[in-house]
Amino acid sequence: SQQGEEDPQALSIQEGENATMNCSYKTSINNLQWYRQNSGRGLVHLILIRSNEREKHSGRLRVTLDTSKKSSSLLITASRAADTASYFCATDGNQAGTALIFGKGTTLSVSS
Amino acid sequence: DGGITQSPKYLFRKEGQNVTLSCEQNLNHDAMYWYRQDPGQGLRLIYYSQIVNDFQKGDIAEGYSVSREKKESFPLTVTSAQKNPTAFYLCASSHDRNQPQHFGDGTRLSIL
Repeated sequence: SQQGEEDPQALSIQEGENATMNCSYKTSINNLQWYRQNSGRGLVHLILIRSNEREKHSGRLRVTLDTSKKSSSLLITASRAADTASYFCATDGNQAGTALIFGKGTTLSVSS
Repeated sequence: DGGITQSPKYLFRKEGQNVTLSCEQNLNHDAMYWYRQDPGQGLRLIYYSQIVNDFQKGDIAEGYSVSREKKESFPLTVTSAQKNPTAFYLCASSHDRNQPQHFGDGTRLSIL
């Protein structure tokens, strides 16, 4: 069952530009998380935003959450070539006993 | 350093053969997870365990089996019943289902 859907599927930008990725989900949630995956590696947790929060920052990352629209966005400011990776959102589905549900991801390419 | 270790990094399976993927964590996490990732796809949950001696099927459990005899270990067996096992397998752990997951660096399984 696919809960989160990221948009766009792929994004190419120049270094220094901002990158915005969006995530939509279907059911109510307790929290939403964003992860990053470098090619051939495991995922790395970036940020968790709870359902009662609207915005959260971590370094160059800014995450927003709109529970009325069931959507979230991840903004990476002043992108660097090292930000090139796939980014996934994951939701908990707000059901006891279930695990996180991941979207298909956005592949970001940052060229120098 | 605390972390989660998957082995081997690459694995080859012959027809009719069962293979076991190892996952060990020293983060003292209660919950552990196995995901399958196909090219250009998100993560699909195979099995998860919230506590020792207990585990639940995920979305694509058919052809796979797991055990959770120790808190630190959650091995995954890909059985001969899994007809399309070629994929990238990721193991993760977390304190509980609502907390961020820590991932290993994956095992890439191919058919000979």
